[in-house]
Amino acid sequence: EAQVTQNPRYLITVTGKKLTVTCSQNMNHEYMSWYRQDPGLGLRQIYYSMNVEVTDKGDVPEGYKVSRKEKRNFPLILESPSPNQTSLYFCAIMGRGPGELFFGEGSRLTVL
Amino acid sequence: QKEVEQNSGPLSVPEGAIASLNCTYSDRVSQSFFWYRQYSGKSPELIMSIYSNGDKEDGRFTAQLNKASQYVSLLIRDSQPSDSATYLCAVNPGTYKYIFGTGTRLKVLA
Repeated sequence: EAQVTQNPRYLITVTGKKLTVTCSQNMNHEYMSWYRQDPGLGLRQIYYSMNVEVTDKGDVPEGYKVSRKEKRNFPLILESPSPNQTSLYFCAIMGRGPGELFFGEGSRLTVL
Repeated sequence: QKEVEQNSGPLSVPEGAIASLNCTYSDRVSQSFFWYRQYSGKSPELIMSIYSNGDKEDGRFTAQLNKASQYVSLLIRDSQPSDSATYLCAVNPGTYKYIFGTGTRLKVLA
């Protein structure tokens, strides 16, 4: 069974303090992606990766970085977090069928 | 103009009724369409995918797609209180990108 593990699940931090949200999967999927979810704005894609060392921007990449050094991990990096990055973040992999996404449990980030 | 539009609701239906959720999209080249259910505080989970015009049924759920009208819907028959959740419509325009609507909140009243 597919598993997508995100850490931390909850984090309160301060403006400017670099942080990393990790995402790992157990299915050797090539595709991984990051989303943020905000009230009234829905789920918006931040970055996605088609394979190791292959990443591309989604709709809201500003203020975020990603890396894909190995297939199972896709960390999301906030170099200098700001309060407008307070959000609920989801990592996703491709599910069983074409185009179907399977999401991790989410990471709730608060930037003060 | 939003690329994927849904009525935010809440849509309230009595237990046992049919719930009808609607979604319109703007990108005509979109290839794949999905409905996700999201309970409060949880991650979205896929309940239906549809790729060609017409209806697709899976248990109590039916997805309907009309590419000419750029319209996709989800019907939930015999609605149960456990169906109360937010339903997200998602469109995949043939790339690795996915565009989600803001979701419709469904409340099934016992």
